Amino acid sequence: SAVISQKPSRDICQRGTSLTIQCQVDSQVTMMFWYRQQPGQSLTLIATANQGSEATYESGFVIDKFPISRPNLTFSTLTVSNMSPEDSSIYLCSATTGTPIQYFGAGTRLSVL
Amino acid sequence: GEDVEQSLFLSVREGDSSVINCTYTDSSSTYLYWYKQEPGAGLQLLTYIFSNMDMKQDQRLTVLLNKKDKHLSLRIADTQTGDSAIYFCAETIGEGNKLVFGAGTILRVKS
Repeated sequence: SAVISQKPSRDICQRGTSLTIQCQVDSQVTMMFWYRQQPGQSLTLIATANQGSEATYESGFVIDKFPISRPNLTFSTLTVSNMSPEDSSIYLCSATTGTPIQYFGAGTRLSVL
Repeated sequence: GEDVEQSLFLSVREGDSSVINCTYTDSSSTYLYWYKQEPGAGLQLLTYIFSNMDMKQDQRLTVLLNKKDKHLSLRIADTQTGDSAIYFCAETIGEGNKLVFGAGTILRVKS
């Protein structure tokens, strides 16, 4: 299994600023992902975080808005850039360990004023 | 494209069984999952089923998969108030373990 820690757990940010969310896994994982859950909605995949190379983004998400890093097997960051109120969501990190199971962090609750 | 649909709300009495249904579109999905999300919390994996299985049972949980109809269900026996939460159905798509989630079913358990 894997335990995923996300920081911060919540934040309130001003429009136009950026926030970096950190995701740390307690064991070596094969794949890491970032999801967004807008208020009252389901989860939507933002991107797959690739170790040592550029992330693979899903349709509708771009690197300039959501830059992602994954410098090693157990750590990744997601930055939400130039925020607007529409970016208010829960951002979740997930990871797999080579099995079919995908583990999720508790999420980062972001409010943009 | 990929699409996962669920009913939005289910209300049951404590002690009754709950059945949450889900339909999906990607016939090549290898695994299907049920996740639980309690208020203010992240996602907790409840169970998953491999696409070549019809049924999987784990204590109070029973998952049924009808691959022909692309229908997945989660039955919770002896539902408790602590089972009140949002339940998400998800399928894997393509290569690389990407998940597509349904909109979630709100389960309300009345005591």
